[in-house]
Amino acid sequence: DAGVIQSPRHEVTEMGQEVTLRCKPISGHNSLFWYRQTMMRGLELLIYFNNNVPIDDSGMPEDRFSAKMPNASFSTLKIQPSEPRDSAVYFCASSLAAPQGYNEQFFGPGTRLTVL
Amino acid sequence: GNSVTQMEGPVTLSEEAFLTINCTYTATGYPSLFWYVQYPGEGLQLLLKATKADDKGSNKGFEATYRKETTSFHLEKGSVQVSDSAVYFCALSDRNYGQNFVFGPGTRLSVLP
Repeated sequence: DAGVIQSPRHEVTEMGQEVTLRCKPISGHNSLFWYRQTMMRGLELLIYFNNNVPIDDSGMPEDRFSAKMPNASFSTLKIQPSEPRDSAVYFCASSLAAPQGYNEQFFGPGTRLTVL
Repeated sequence: GNSVTQMEGPVTLSEEAFLTINCTYTATGYPSLFWYVQYPGEGLQLLLKATKADDKGSNKGFEATYRKETTSFHLEKGSVQVSDSAVYFCALSDRNYGQNFVFGPGTRLSVLP
């Protein structure tokens, strides 16, 4: 298995530009999570999906952030317009939600975003 | 709500020293407990887990025991190596809470040769 795949691995953009981060979860997993990691705030959950449906987006910082999961094998996180304070590493993770509770999450390598 | 508390880092040890990283949790139900490790420039990887009280998770020489009476899941290793330098995250997943993981803030470990 290739694991969780994220693209791009690095993104440098200018303030005001639109940024789209992509994620392919592990085949067969039914839950997908987007996290943001910074030195100041640590690891923050932004949003998660179960069976392609957004379940909790309370961690999305503001309306500039949006996430979609059009099918079981693909998700995007979009920031529009981007701001320097959005600079962080963004991780995607997937898991197989079982009736007894969520199993371990498998993380992608992350996308390092720098907004100038 | 559910929460995880970890000892603050950074932790700096010499090679072959004994490691303990404390983790305590608050949960409304019956959580599963996890330790994840993040090496520089990489995503988080599962290190070990325990799904019920008194279970011991172990991997790569690391161990942690699920202690319900003290709501703790401390990570230990008898002899650390330079290659263990990383950030360690304690986490819980609570099926009665009906949702995702709750991660601790992470503890950075540096092992010196």
